[in-house]
Amino acid sequence: DAGVIQSPRHEVTEMGQEVTLRCKPISGHNSLFWYRQTMMRGLELLIYFNNNVPIDDSGMPEDRFSAKMPNASFSTLKIQPSEPRDSAVYFCASSLRGANTGELFFGEGSRLTVL
Amino acid sequence: KQEVTQIPAALSVPEGENLVLNCSFTDSAIYNLQWFRQDPGKGLTSLLLIQSSQREQTSGRLNASLDKSSGRSTLYIAASQPGDSATYLCAQTHSGTSYGKLTFGQGTILTVHP
Repeated sequence: DAGVIQSPRHEVTEMGQEVTLRCKPISGHNSLFWYRQTMMRGLELLIYFNNNVPIDDSGMPEDRFSAKMPNASFSTLKIQPSEPRDSAVYFCASSLRGANTGELFFGEGSRLTVL
Repeated sequence: KQEVTQIPAALSVPEGENLVLNCSFTDSAIYNLQWFRQDPGKGLTSLLLIQSSQREQTSGRLNASLDKSSGRSTLYIAASQPGDSATYLCAQTHSGTSYGKLTFGQGTILTVHP
């Protein structure tokens, strides 16, 4: 298996622009997580999907952030409008049964820079 | 608020040394604890997962222990090699959620020099 695939790997944009990050989880995994990593705050869970349904979005910073999972093999994280403080590495991770019992597999991340 | 703390923040050792990385957590309702490795510019790779009913897990030169009563976990790396250089993160899974929400520590940056 190719693992969790994220795109783009790097994104540089200007404040106010819309940003869309994409994730393809490992085939057969029913749990998908979006994390954000910064030097100041470390890794933070943004949202968790189970069987394509958002279960916990309490970590989503504000209304500018939205996430969708239209099918089992694709998810997007959208920021509109983007702000400099959104600059971070965004990770997608998937698991077979949720992190309770299964390992979490991470993608290589999307590094976002908002100027 | 659940918190996970890792000590030391950075560690530099010569090749061949045995070393211990520490992780402490405040939430006693732990479901499991995972140790991850992160290489620069890369995602996280799961190393070891210890369920709350277990005391330790081993994989090759790595051994992770869990002591729920003291709120501590340690990752022991035997005979360290330059290829072990990376950031090591521990993450606690809380039993209060149906899926196991992870809280990560800030990580220990390990450098093993030849």
